[in-house]
Amino acid sequence: GGIITQTPKFLIGQEGQKLTLKCQQNFNHDTMYWYRQDSGKGLRLIYYSITENDLQKGDLSEGYDASREKKSSFSLTVTSAQKNEMAVFLCASSIPFSQNTLYFGAGTRLSVL
Amino acid sequence: GDSVTQTEGQVTVSESKSLIINCTYSATSIGYPNLFWYVRYPGEGLQLLLKVITAGQKGSSRGFEATYNKEATSFHLQKASVQESDSAVYYCALSENYAQGLTFGLGTRVSVFP
Repeated sequence: GGIITQTPKFLIGQEGQKLTLKCQQNFNHDTMYWYRQDSGKGLRLIYYSITENDLQKGDLSEGYDASREKKSSFSLTVTSAQKNEMAVFLCASSIPFSQNTLYFGAGTRLSVL
Repeated sequence: GDSVTQTEGQVTVSESKSLIINCTYSATSIGYPNLFWYVRYPGEGLQLLLKVITAGQKGSSRGFEATYNKEATSFHLQKASVQESDSAVYYCALSENYAQGLTFGLGTRVSVFP
């Protein structure tokens, strides 16, 4: 079996800071995703990538950049952290034609002071 | 856009009792979406519990069942007799386009007490 590793597990930032979250998968999956989860708001799609060097915006892409330089890795950058922001960012991957079964990492918990 | 509505907040149930978590969906395409239940156990990541891709079919896993009801646009999750180990947060989700990921409900926290 494979695994999705997200780093760091916890991220504390300052208002206005640029913050980068990393995700690695060894499933050899083509498609990768970044979701954001806020308390009481479920999971919302920020960016996804169908293959290496591909980037597609989700519903929540404003304020974020993403990078998919290798098939196995997908990074997300918060371009300017918002004061008192708290959320969990989840990375996932899937294979095509798998009825879109997603495999998730453990998450990165962000807190902005 | 697509949306998923499920039983809100927290559900508390005694061990060995039955559990049902309601899920209804709204899909924008003319086809049938794929339907999923994901679960997050304490201290673990989000993982697939079961999925159904064909209307009228039932999926099952770990004693849980869910039937894809296209007419009612529902995909309720049920278990006849829960255990403490079923305490978790459950998410209903749908997918219409394989590349665009899933649309999730808000999650239902289930607490099973002995």
